[in-house]
Amino acid sequence: SQQGEEDPQALSIQEGENATMNCSYKTSINNLQWYRQNSGRGLVHLILIRSNEREKHSGRLRVTLDTSKKSSSLLITASRAADTASYFCATDEAGTSYGKLTFGQGTILTVHP
Amino acid sequence: DVKVTQSSRYLVKRTGEKVFLECVQDMDHENMFWYRQDPGLGLRLIYFSYDVKMKEKGDIPEGYSVSREKKERFSLILESASTNQTSMYLCASSFLGRGSTDTQYFGPGTRLTVL
Repeated sequence: SQQGEEDPQALSIQEGENATMNCSYKTSINNLQWYRQNSGRGLVHLILIRSNEREKHSGRLRVTLDTSKKSSSLLITASRAADTASYFCATDEAGTSYGKLTFGQGTILTVHP
Repeated sequence: DVKVTQSSRYLVKRTGEKVFLECVQDMDHENMFWYRQDPGLGLRLIYFSYDVKMKEKGDIPEGYSVSREKKERFSLILESASTNQTSMYLCASSFLGRGSTDTQYFGPGTRLTVL
């Protein structure tokens, strides 16, 4: 079953602009993670935010989490052409065990030079 | 750095063949996972394992089996490959975590085509 729903499905911006991707989920979570995937490759972990956190930063990335709305957003500031990739949110559902994550369908980000 | 390797980047098999996809991690992770990724469907969990010889079904286990004889190695087996199993297969591993899920580390993927 799909837990995370991402919006938009695709985003096209110019270099230097900010990119915002949103993720909504349905059940209570322990944490929410964002991953990046370059075309045809494996996923790379970007950032993890716990259910008791509201905002987290890592370099040009800013993640927010609103557990009352069951939603999260990933902001990439001052985007670069190298940020072109697919971005996935993944949720760790509360009450599940053994480290399972449920992934959304992803947002395809294209950054034009 | 954590390294997760998969035995093949590209694989072409015929319908009915038995297919083995191998995954090896070098970080002593307890958890290992097999996903398939299809356009528009995201990543779907096939099977996962939290210990040697232990396995749990994911969301789409039909047509697949797995083997974990050693901690570092997790194999996905297609007993009789079918064309609807043409997909990108991704392996991942993680620590067991304490009360919540830890980061997953992914291999580069195997693109399997079944003719």
